[in-house]
Amino acid sequence: GQQLNQSPQSMFIQEGEDVSMNCTSSSIFNTWLWYKQDPGEGPVLLIALYKAGELTSNGRLTAQFGITRKDSFLNISASIPSDVGIYFCAGQLGNQFYFGTGTSLTVIP
Amino acid sequence: NAGVTQTPKFQVLKTGQSMTLQCAQDMNHEYMSWYRQDPGMGLRLIHYSVGAGITDQGEVPNGYNVSRSTTEDFPLRLLSAAPSQTSVYFCASSYTLDYEQYFGPGTRLTVT
Repeated sequence: GQQLNQSPQSMFIQEGEDVSMNCTSSSIFNTWLWYKQDPGEGPVLLIALYKAGELTSNGRLTAQFGITRKDSFLNISASIPSDVGIYFCAGQLGNQFYFGTGTSLTVIP
Repeated sequence: NAGVTQTPKFQVLKTGQSMTLQCAQDMNHEYMSWYRQDPGMGLRLIHYSVGAGITDQGEVPNGYNVSRSTTEDFPLRLLSAAPSQTSVYFCASSYTLDYEQYFGPGTRLTVT
C-alpha cells in the first residue's frame, strides 16, 4: 500500500505554543485531509485540501497542500489543553484514502 | 442527521466465529468504506463502495466480506474470526470519493 510518513510521532508542548506537523509521500495525491482523534472516538475531520498550493484555515488550524502534491502540513497556533489527541493526515489516490500513522499531541497546562 | 452509526460498540469473539459489523449513514453519501486501526499503524482500508451494488477491495481485505444493497448500509462480515483481526473497526462515508470522509464511532473487536 501507499506509505504516508507523518512526523513527528509525538509532541509534548506547553499551552500557548504553536505546533507544526507534516506528512510526506512518494505518491502524488489528489486530496489531503487532516483529522483529529480523541481516545475511544472516531477521527473527526479538521481540514480538507483539494488543490496543490492550497492554504486553508479553520480557526487556529492552518493546513497546506504541497506544490508537489506529495506533502501537506498542519499548524496549530496558540495551543490549548483540548488540542490533546492524535492527528492523522490522509491522502486520496484513485478510489482509496491512505492514512499516516499519526502524531500524538500532549499539551501541558 | 445521525451521521455515521456503527453497531456494536464492543464485541468479543472466539476464533472461528463469524459476525457482521453494521454501518449506516443518513447523509445520502455514495462512498462508504471500512478501516481497521491497529496501534502504531494508522488506519488501513479493508473494503470500500462507490455506490449501491458496487464494492471493491482495499489494502487489507483478506478475511472480510462486504455488500452494499442500499445507499445507507454497508455491513462488514468476518467469515471466520482470527486473533489477528483483533482491532478497532471504523466505517466512513463521503458524498463522493472527491469529498471529505466522515467517520463513525468505531467497533472494538477482540478475538480470543
